[in-house]
Amino acid sequence: ETGVTQSPTHLIKTRGQQVTLRCSSQSGHNTVSWYQQALGQGPQFIFQYYREEENGRGNFPPRFSGLQFPNYSSELNVNALELDDSALYLCASSLKDRGYEQYFGPGTRLTVT
Amino acid sequence: AQSVTQLGSHVSVSEGALVLLRCNYSSSVPPYLFWYVQYPNQGLQLLLKYTSAATLVKGINGFEAEFKKSETSFHLTKPSAHMSDAAEYFCAVTTSGTYKYIFGTGTRLKVLA
Repeated sequence: ETGVTQSPTHLIKTRGQQVTLRCSSQSGHNTVSWYQQALGQGPQFIFQYYREEENGRGNFPPRFSGLQFPNYSSELNVNALELDDSALYLCASSLKDRGYEQYFGPGTRLTVT
Repeated sequence: AQSVTQLGSHVSVSEGALVLLRCNYSSSVPPYLFWYVQYPNQGLQLLLKYTSAATLVKGINGFEAEFKKSETSFHLTKPSAHMSDAAEYFCAVTTSGTYKYIFGTGTRLKVLA
């Protein structure tokens, strides 16, 4: 059984650029959630995807967007990057009817300069 | 809406001493509760979870937590601290229907030799 994987592990972007982060769900999981963890803080819920549609969103602006693909993998896109977007981005997968059991990936560390 | 409060952003204990990390939650419906550990520059590792079964939950690495509804608490304990326990610990809550995790701000545990 393959766990949740994320790519890349690290990346550096410049303010104003756009970035795409990727997540592969654990085998059999059909729901993906994304979280942002700024330095020194707990993770904050960004949004969740189920059946390729957004299924709940936290307090993040529209420049944070996502996709879920038929194989349940997912992308997080952030446009017009700001310095405050520097964070660890965590992806978590689960089954829709067992959403309380989310399995987290190792995260992608994004640095915006 | 759910929320989590972790009392004490920094906790220091001597090696071999009791570890007690405090977590209080707020939820209008029955919660699911979690403790995660995060080592520097790494992702989240699940220590234990409460999903409405036994109120005393045993996790990995000798950690356990007790769900106390009357006190809205889910404190994490370990009888004897080890140097390898030094890390950041996060308490999280979710509920059926939303399944978005709400994390506390974290407690950094320092273990003194």
